[in-house]
Amino acid sequence: EVQLVESGGGLVQPGRSLRLSCAASGFTFEEYAMHWVRQVPGKGLEWVSGISWNSGTVGYADSVKGRFTISRDNAKHSLYLQMNSLRAEDTALYYCAKDLDASWYVGQFDCWGQGTLVTVSS
Amino acid sequence: DIQMTQSPSSLSASVGDRVTITCRTSQSITRYLNWYQQKPGKAPKLLIYAASNLQSGVPSRFSGSGSGTDFTLTISSLQPEDFATYYCQQSYNTFHTFGPGTKVDIK
Repeated sequence: EVQLVESGGGLVQPGRSLRLSCAASGFTFEEYAMHWVRQVPGKGLEWVSGISWNSGTVGYADSVKGRFTISRDNAKHSLYLQMNSLRAEDTALYYCAKDLDASWYVGQFDCWGQGTLVTVSS
Repeated sequence: DIQMTQSPSSLSASVGDRVTITCRTSQSITRYLNWYQQKPGKAPKLLIYAASNLQSGVPSRFSGSGSGTDFTLTISSLQPEDFATYYCQQSYNTFHTFGPGTKVDIK
């Protein structure tokens, strides 16, 4: 069974940093692209970032470009999101999602974690 | 940027009803359109990818159609477990934009 388990969320002050992690199991992690998608509670979904199977290419939403960094460790079956210079508008539930393909350009999210909540507030 | 709209924003329906949700994009995305179902407190679930391909394990009462700028998700006979919010999402460009959602609730 495919499982994605996010961790690392919490309450953080504006301007500070946070690192999210996603532990994957139940599939050949190194063969698939991975993504982060966020959702303000009660609101819609926003794609944040994607990374190809071998970390060769990455992409970011304009709203986080220059502040967030996505990475992965295939040996540890783990995905990460380093979030710097956090803002109140980054407050959301952050989901880790698996792509159907090896390239993050494809953007078809077939498996999702349960999310980790990030709250940016002073 | 590709703008996504969905209609209706919400609908009330009964078990057994045929339900159709529309997604429109501001420019042609050929068939790079996906549909997700989200229930309260749960993560989204992929239903349809590339406009009309049923994701593995998804009941056949769900179907997708369309191309270019106009797409539909159809539930042929609404079941109790189908009451949820449905999102379309474009994968034509790398911003992977989602639509605003359509909430389907019980009449």
